[in-house]
Amino acid sequence: GAGVSQSPSNKVTEKGKDVELRCDPISGHTALYWYRQSLGQGLEFLIYFQGNSAPDKSGLPSDRFSAERTGGSVSTLTIQRTQQEDSAVYLCASSLGQATFGSGTRLTVV
Amino acid sequence: AQSVAQPEDQVNVAEGNPLTVKCTYSVSGNPYLFWYVQYPNRGLQFLLKYITGDNLVKGSYGFEAEFNKSQTSFHLKKPSALVSDSALYFCAVRDSGAGSYQLTFGKGTKLSVIP
Repeated sequence: GAGVSQSPSNKVTEKGKDVELRCDPISGHTALYWYRQSLGQGLEFLIYFQGNSAPDKSGLPSDRFSAERTGGSVSTLTIQRTQQEDSAVYLCASSLGQATFGSGTRLTVV
Repeated sequence: AQSVAQPEDQVNVAEGNPLTVKCTYSVSGNPYLFWYVQYPNRGLQFLLKYITGDNLVKGSYGFEAEFNKSQTSFHLKKPSALVSDSALYFCAVRDSGAGSYQLTFGKGTKLSVIP
């Protein structure tokens, strides 16, 4: 597609439930990033994928967070047993040179 | 480990005046440097980048940035600020080394342009 697509745009979930956030990158982009942005805060790096290399998971805040990228394209970020502190906007970006960002998924844990 | 510092949480400037948003970086190799802008309730939009070549880089909406290797800085500038420039600005760095794709962002600087 023309840009990076993220779904859903908004997600409200109950504490303790699992959620899956999806990212469709720009076709042909080899790098894919996930970031988290809390209200009024900067971008917190979570994970990135580059081609067929092992992903850099160094930013994942706990073992409740995981991500995969299937076929070098679509990526899913999964948060298990959600907590209220997980509430944030989750941003995905893909890149061949400069990163292009999606509009994000606003996650609210109630 | 690479890092980016944006020392000012907020910058206020009068419309029509020049603006500067500061950024310094730390990276083990040569840097690739980027500026992004985020308008309220929107995603990040790419403004400009430094990869190699001229230290002065021109980007979208009349913005430019100057790469200074000795000061490890990449400050964002615009000669004449517009009210519509009010937004959150992020600086980012990536190591240019082969196989290095970690993209690190600063905490952001809120720019307010006062009419």
